[in-house]
Amino acid sequence: NAGVTQTPKFQVLKTGQSMTLQCAQDMNHNSMYWYRQDPGMGLRLIYYSASEGTTDKGEVPNGYNVSRLNKREFSLRLESAAPSQTSVYFCAIPTGPSRETQYFGPGTRLLVL
Amino acid sequence: DQQVKQNSPSLSVQEGRISILNCDYTNSMFDYFLWYKKYPAEGPTFLISISSIKDKNEDGRFTVFLNKSAKHLSLHIVPSQPGDSAVYFCAATFRGRDDKIIFGKGTRLHILP
Repeated sequence: NAGVTQTPKFQVLKTGQSMTLQCAQDMNHNSMYWYRQDPGMGLRLIYYSASEGTTDKGEVPNGYNVSRLNKREFSLRLESAAPSQTSVYFCAIPTGPSRETQYFGPGTRLLVL
Repeated sequence: DQQVKQNSPSLSVQEGRISILNCDYTNSMFDYFLWYKKYPAEGPTFLISISSIKDKNEDGRFTVFLNKSAKHLSLHIVPSQPGDSAVYFCAATFRGRDDKIIFGKGTRLHILP
């Protein structure tokens, strides 16, 4: 998954704790996306950013905040983690001749106890 | 309302046989369809796509068929190999609209020896 990096790879939180998931890309794309993947639920868009300094809600934004301070980085923050946020989180950037596909990072596995 | 539906959570196929994964969609405005493959502990990877103006696209062992009148697409894998065991996500997009992609819930394919 060269080109999109995510940190940390794995994290355990207690209910109510906060944390920030980091995503960085070196492919100079304007758009970046955050998804969560849950068994039987597919990939659901949490937030996306069409360009530096702009962000928009996706399908499941509640409980999350995002920050796109520069073109390279897009962070996802959980202010007060809940067990329902236990999931695998993926960051992605558009790719393909017409940006019709997306390239995913390796993911962050989050467990909220 | 789920716009991209994969009604089979899992599928088992004998090695060497054909695997057929199905997908239905509800929005006739989609103009591009994609299949992604996902191994455990990795990010999804793009597999094959098809534009809405075509009815078939082939890439090696993988062929995607699109039936617009039925709002149905399928992925054929011939012959199936052990490395094809993975979760497959069907997805659709409106090109040019924030490059967002809408994913189905996935089908887990097991290739049996």
